[in-house]
Amino acid sequence: DGGITQSPKYLFRKEGQNVTLSCEQNLNHDAMYWYRQDPGQGLRLIYYSQIVNDFQKGDIAEGYSVSREKKESFPLTVTSAQKNPTAFYLCASSIDGDTQYFGPGTRLTVL
Amino acid sequence: RKEVEQDPGPFNVPEGATVAFNCTYSNSASQSFFWYRQDCRKEPKLLMSVYSSGNEDGRFTAQLNRASQYISLLIRDSKLSDSATYLCVVNPSYNFNKFYFGSGTKLNVKP
Repeated sequence: DGGITQSPKYLFRKEGQNVTLSCEQNLNHDAMYWYRQDPGQGLRLIYYSQIVNDFQKGDIAEGYSVSREKKESFPLTVTSAQKNPTAFYLCASSIDGDTQYFGPGTRLTVL
Repeated sequence: RKEVEQDPGPFNVPEGATVAFNCTYSNSASQSFFWYRQDCRKEPKLLMSVYSSGNEDGRFTAQLNRASQYISLLIRDSKLSDSATYLCVVNPSYNFNKFYFGSGTKLNVKP
């Protein structure tokens, strides 16, 4: 089945640790995105990538890093510089800036 | 001013009611508009795209009003299963690969 997968579903991080969230898609979409959602709030864009080996900062990129070495994969690293990382992280992909399709998300909690 | 604004609700309606949500956007040159549905602790799922001519899918009707810069979603004959948060999404023309999300309108359909 075609779709977007994210792993893990739940992730716990100790303060000072870096963690990497996985996002894979087999929809052959060029564009991929990472969003953060906090309770009762809308999605905020962290990073996006329009093509392999290229990515741009979104509105809240500080404390995060990404890579796009393969079309199918767009991992997000939450670094220790991100002061308030507890949130619901959503990965999405789209063709040519049209409709976005989302993965099931990763819930990150800082202990 | 936010790119996209929605009334957070909640809208509490009985089964069978008709309910409508509006969403305003700030960039008059925006080209693409969408409504997504998000269930509690789940990823957003595309409900429908919004075209200039409006579009209808069963009990759901979406309209675009460019002059007043808002889109609307009308749900007829509400079902219990319609209870969710409805997100408005706008793709501004200056960056075809970037999307802006409203914070969502919560709908509770009660028996």
